[in-house]
Amino acid sequence: EDQVTQSPEALRLQEGESSSLNCSYTVSGLRGLFWYRQDPGKGPEFLFTLYSAGEEKEKERLKATLTKKESFLHITAPKPEDSATYLCAVQAGGNTPLVFGKGTRLSVIA
Amino acid sequence: GAVVSQHPSWVICKSGTSVKIECRSLDFQATTMFWYRQFPKQSLMLMATSNEGSKATYEQGVEKDKFLINHASLTLSTLTVTSAHPEDSSFYICSSPGSYGYTFGSGTRLTVV
Repeated sequence: EDQVTQSPEALRLQEGESSSLNCSYTVSGLRGLFWYRQDPGKGPEFLFTLYSAGEEKEKERLKATLTKKESFLHITAPKPEDSATYLCAVQAGGNTPLVFGKGTRLSVIA
Repeated sequence: GAVVSQHPSWVICKSGTSVKIECRSLDFQATTMFWYRQFPKQSLMLMATSNEGSKATYEQGVEKDKFLINHASLTLSTLTVTSAHPEDSSFYICSSPGSYGYTFGSGTRLTVV
């Protein structure tokens, strides 16, 4: 059974305090690993897709990396507007539903 | 980019009544639609998969007679929660896959009182 585990469940950072979120996964044939941002009462907002171990992608203060067992979302010098829940999900086959982790609730305090 | 419009964004209904949630693909043909449910501080859990013109397939533990899914066209998929109860209160989200990735609706907050 495909599984995604995210840690920590919640993270509180001071503005400018860099940190990393973890996503561990077990999947029978990874087609892609996805990171999303979700604000309260909203649908997930796409951030990154990673396809193979060693791949890295960046967007503003965010950088996602992938190994064969886990992915990290690095947040550099976060700002209060980065506060949200960050979701990790895996795709095991073409056009199959994503399997999501429970997310990490990030709070950035000014 | 691909957009899925989901309505309503929130709804309050009385126990025993039915509620319909719509997801429309605005600029692409959504052959497949995934329906998820999300409880507070929990993950998005897949409820069912619908394909245009065929019956939906439901995940284990999801009552197909309670959660009616219709995908009669390539641009519209609907989820009807029948005889709603307070335990059905949740956040419902639709998602459609494609060459552009996965597009999500904005979600529907259902509260059953």
